[in-house]
Amino acid sequence: GAVVSQHPSRVICKSGTSVKIECRSLDFQATTMFWYRQFPKKSLMLMATSNEGSKATYEQGVEKDKFLINHASLTLSTLTVTSAHPEDSSFYICSAREWGEGGYTFGSGTRLTVV
Amino acid sequence: AQSVTQPDIHITVSEGASLELRCNYSYGATPYLFWYVQSPGQGLQLLLKYFSGDTLVQGIKGFEAEFKRSQSSFNLRKPSVHWSDAAEYFCAVNTGGFKTIFGAGTRLFVKA
Repeated sequence: GAVVSQHPSRVICKSGTSVKIECRSLDFQATTMFWYRQFPKKSLMLMATSNEGSKATYEQGVEKDKFLINHASLTLSTLTVTSAHPEDSSFYICSAREWGEGGYTFGSGTRLTVV
Repeated sequence: AQSVTQPDIHITVSEGASLELRCNYSYGATPYLFWYVQSPGQGLQLLLKYFSGDTLVQGIKGFEAEFKRSQSSFNLRKPSVHWSDAAEYFCAVNTGGFKTIFGAGTRLFVKA
């Protein structure tokens, strides 16, 4: 089945620095990937839709200048949290949909802690 | 607007007992329906999905779900729960576009 690899699984960074999270589709091409954020004991909130070769589409309330998304190839999307602050600490998950298949395959998630 | 409701924040069942997790959605037509499971600190794994056809859907790990149009429900069931089933379960809805809406999740606890 489709596999999505997300890296790193955990990262701790200092306030003011930037962190890049990678999401790769390993055995299929994904023209569209999705980035979610999950707060403790909460459901997943869609942050943005990442489109290969074009700008990402951000959900209302998500700062596009803080959460930079790049989808440079059919198998890789990256989320960069810029000038991170403690309130950005969260669990970030990416997903992709393989054409012809139902459902969305999720990465294993990245636990970001900003100190 | 579309919405997904999982009425139970958490459920505790004994190992070997049956399980039913509830999910209701709000949408004018029949959406695509999914159940995902998330173990602590992990990503989401697809358990099963419904697009059309037979309203009783079989998934992985012995789970099944039944779509009931009249009740706008898609409840997840398992006849005999194992301790390893303890996790967070999310019901999700996709209305044909790219956006998938998730329910708030139900935390399953399994007691020996």
